[in-house]
Amino acid sequence: KQEVTQIPAALSVPEGENLVLNCSFTDSAIYNLQWFRQDPGKGLTSLLLIQSSQREQTSGRLNASLDKSSGRSTLYIAASQPGDSATYLCALGGSGGSNYKLTFGKGTLLTVNP
Amino acid sequence: KAGVTQTPRYLIKTRGQQVTLSCSPISGHRSVSWYQQTPGQGLQFLFEYFSETQRNKGNFPGRFSGRQFSNSRSEMNVSTLELGDSALYLCASSLASPMNTEAFFGQGTRLTVV
Repeated sequence: KQEVTQIPAALSVPEGENLVLNCSFTDSAIYNLQWFRQDPGKGLTSLLLIQSSQREQTSGRLNASLDKSSGRSTLYIAASQPGDSATYLCALGGSGGSNYKLTFGKGTLLTVNP
Repeated sequence: KAGVTQTPRYLIKTRGQQVTLSCSPISGHRSVSWYQQTPGQGLQFLFEYFSETQRNKGNFPGRFSGRQFSNSRSEMNVSTLELGDSALYLCASSLASPMNTEAFFGQGTRLTVV
């Protein structure tokens, strides 16, 4: 069974800082990995999708990497802003032999202080 | 283009009642998945539908059921509600499968059971 761990569970940084969020998983047999953000009480917003054959994806100030062999992904946020405050979730597609589903970590709660 | 639409946004039900939640996917998307989100358990997979067929089901009791219509709209039903069913229910749509295409989520339905 796939286990997904996100560290740290919570992170507070001053505005402008560059930061890294971590996601680790136990089964490397995945189809893809997706990063989401969730604002309080809201749905999930897709940030980046990395296919299993890719090593990284970039969108604006966000960069996500994937290392299947070590079971790790990182989300790098450059020049953080207060509007980046949210919970960030990683999700694995088709992992651990479970088809047609995403397996989520518990998330990292990010607070960016002005 | 329009995103994933979930209705209603909020529901308050009494223990023992039943409830039906609705999800309209992005136009052209044929895969619809449902997830339950609670503070303690995080996001847990309920089921996934494609072309009116359930392809995968999570580890939930039979009180939780769903269906998909020919226009890809999906409904989930929870019968004999329990206090523990209080949660944010999220629907996701994908072109073909959340395993290898990007998943887009709706804003969710907040269900409170009293």
